[in-house]
Amino acid sequence: DTAVSQTPKYLVTQMGNDKSIKCEQNLGHDTMYWYKQDSKKFLKIMFSYNNKELIINETVPNRFSPKSPDKAHLNLHINSLELGDSAVYFCASSQDPGTYGNTIYFGEGSWLTVV
Amino acid sequence: SQQGEEDPQALSIQEGENATMNCSYKTSINNLQWYRQNSGRGLVHLILIRSNEREKHSGRLRVTLDTSKKSSSLLITASRAADTASYFCATLSGGSEKLVFGKGTKLTVNP
Repeated sequence: DTAVSQTPKYLVTQMGNDKSIKCEQNLGHDTMYWYKQDSKKFLKIMFSYNNKELIINETVPNRFSPKSPDKAHLNLHINSLELGDSAVYFCASSQDPGTYGNTIYFGEGSWLTVV
Repeated sequence: SQQGEEDPQALSIQEGENATMNCSYKTSINNLQWYRQNSGRGLVHLILIRSNEREKHSGRLRVTLDTSKKSSSLLITASRAADTASYFCATLSGGSEKLVFGKGTKLTVNP
């Protein structure tokens, strides 16, 4: 069984569209994350939720809105997509946030291309 | 902001050789972790070393941590073609809930 699963894996869309990426984890973890990996492979955290509550919100345009209906799901909605949003978006989870000895489990990534 | 900086950016070796990758960071940490990313895949956790530890082993992996130099190294012994991947260090700083990743080292192991 996949521990952290995200859909879709590939998404090609036009500028100005609104799109969502869904994420689910079956590890029973309390914390979930969204990371963005750019074309230079630099991986940067965007958001973190603990038990459905937002705990980390990096400097991300407000066109990006995460939603956590329950602690096993963290979806990412992006409004008015721009060319610069093209990247790989990774969902991840961990048992606790910022805990000594924390290991993060990543999904397989969602490749977003904005044309 | 970026914390870890891996070195070298790219490394190409022959199967059977050892591969050493380095990571330097800027602020004090609680722990440092190494992850592997195969092409087109997500990141996989390899090993975690705490700030009060100096060396840790896991199979063919050996990680060292020098907090005085704010640096860590990942050694893969007897490399295999399947070790070809990008390797990232990530640090967790005191009082922070963010795991901050470096830019990674791309390792190619030639058969």
